[in-house]
Amino acid sequence: DQQVKQNSPSLSVQEGRISILNCDYTNSMFDYFLWYKKYPAEGPTFLISISSIKDKNEDGRFTVFLNKSAKHLSLHIVPSQPGDSAVYFCAASAVGNNDMRFGAGTRLTVKP
Amino acid sequence: GAVVSQHPSRVICKSGTSVKIECRSLDFQATTMFWYRQFPKQSLMLMATSNEGSKATYEQGVEKDKFLINHASLTLSTLTVTSAHPEDSSFYICSADKGLQGNEQFFGPGTRLTVL
Repeated sequence: DQQVKQNSPSLSVQEGRISILNCDYTNSMFDYFLWYKKYPAEGPTFLISISSIKDKNEDGRFTVFLNKSAKHLSLHIVPSQPGDSAVYFCAASAVGNNDMRFGAGTRLTVKP
Repeated sequence: GAVVSQHPSRVICKSGTSVKIECRSLDFQATTMFWYRQFPKQSLMLMATSNEGSKATYEQGVEKDKFLINHASLTLSTLTVTSAHPEDSSFYICSADKGLQGNEQFFGPGTRLTVL
């Protein structure tokens, strides 16, 4: 039962442009969402999160948008840099249940 | 595809007992597996990195004797919480890496441990 989906396995953008990574979920009980970034042969690192009471959270070049009615969230990176090339995981947790569910990940490649 | 399973999904145990959690890569060989712990509404905390056939590398602050990790084969890593106490109650997640350059990491579904 895949409750968190990242339908794009890969994304390629030019340096300086915007990267938009998408994530969809099916469980309406999810109330907290996180994005993780992972480099090869390393564990994922936390990037940014958003609570369901908000529809936007910004941290430097990274912004996460949440559309609860569509059960969709997205991560925007602008401007994209080659060092942003990594795999990005979306994760969600539900009200009263802190267990997280992860998406399959999207590989972002930022070309110089 | 690449599927990672964890067993059990939930476990309740008494204080002082030991609990073993298994992480398996079902359709690929995982040269590296990671064990994470997640606290409520917080990001994942990497506990240790496990490489097949060698000792696990623990993150600072993680007790090696408390959290025993064994990566005996390319498809199985185990985490044993020894002499568990209520403060060990948490959600433990494993992930597996195929070991190829630039390859994605695949997460298991997690194990909810409750120590009474």
